[in-house]
Amino acid sequence: ETGVTQTPRHLVMGMTNKKSLKCEQHLGHNAMYWYKQSAKKPLELMFVYNFKEQTENNSVPSRFSPECPNSSHLFLHLHTLQPEDSALYLCASSQVVGTEKLFFGSGTQLSVL
Amino acid sequence: AQKITQTQPGMFVQEKEAVTLDCTYDTSDPSYGLFWYKQPSSGEMIFLIYQGSYDQQNATEGRYSLNFQKARKSANLVISASQLGDSAMYFCAMREGQGSGGSNYKLTFGKGTLLTVNP
Repeated sequence: ETGVTQTPRHLVMGMTNKKSLKCEQHLGHNAMYWYKQSAKKPLELMFVYNFKEQTENNSVPSRFSPECPNSSHLFLHLHTLQPEDSALYLCASSQVVGTEKLFFGSGTQLSVL
Repeated sequence: AQKITQTQPGMFVQEKEAVTLDCTYDTSDPSYGLFWYKQPSSGEMIFLIYQGSYDQQNATEGRYSLNFQKARKSANLVISASQLGDSAMYFCAMREGQGSGGSNYKLTFGKGTLLTVNP
């Protein structure tokens, strides 16, 4: 079993749909992150959770709503998205916020029609 | 201004040869960390190597080494004895500040270099 698991791997949704991305880490880490990777753009940090508390919201639109029920699980709830939100969404974890090594999942490739 | 610049959108190398992937960075913070990640076609980002700004020696991890030139603000990744499985996107990233529990933990990524290893 890989360290950080993301589901689904691919998601196609309409602009009026509501969907959720799931991330689970099996590494005993306390910090979890959402990153967005758009084509031809650098990775962008979206949200950071440290010990289940959100410590960073990097000016992300409210149509993205994160949830961290415990240190092992992280969700990204999506509603009324725009086509420009189509991207690869990567989840990562680390021992605590600020440690050097992030462990990433394989991402969810999202397409918004 | 970009904080991380990777000037090579794509690179080709022959199997078993060495290759250098360029990365320059921009920061006024005296304390920072530099990272390289590999992203194969499967999508996940794989940590390769880390260099702290105060580290006296260049970091090495197996076939990976980081050519850290602080005055030039460059942190090039050197892959020795390239293998077919090294074909992937490679990202340079920087964390400014103390990190490790401090507030400055954001990683800023470059746009990446696509490395193709030819047999």
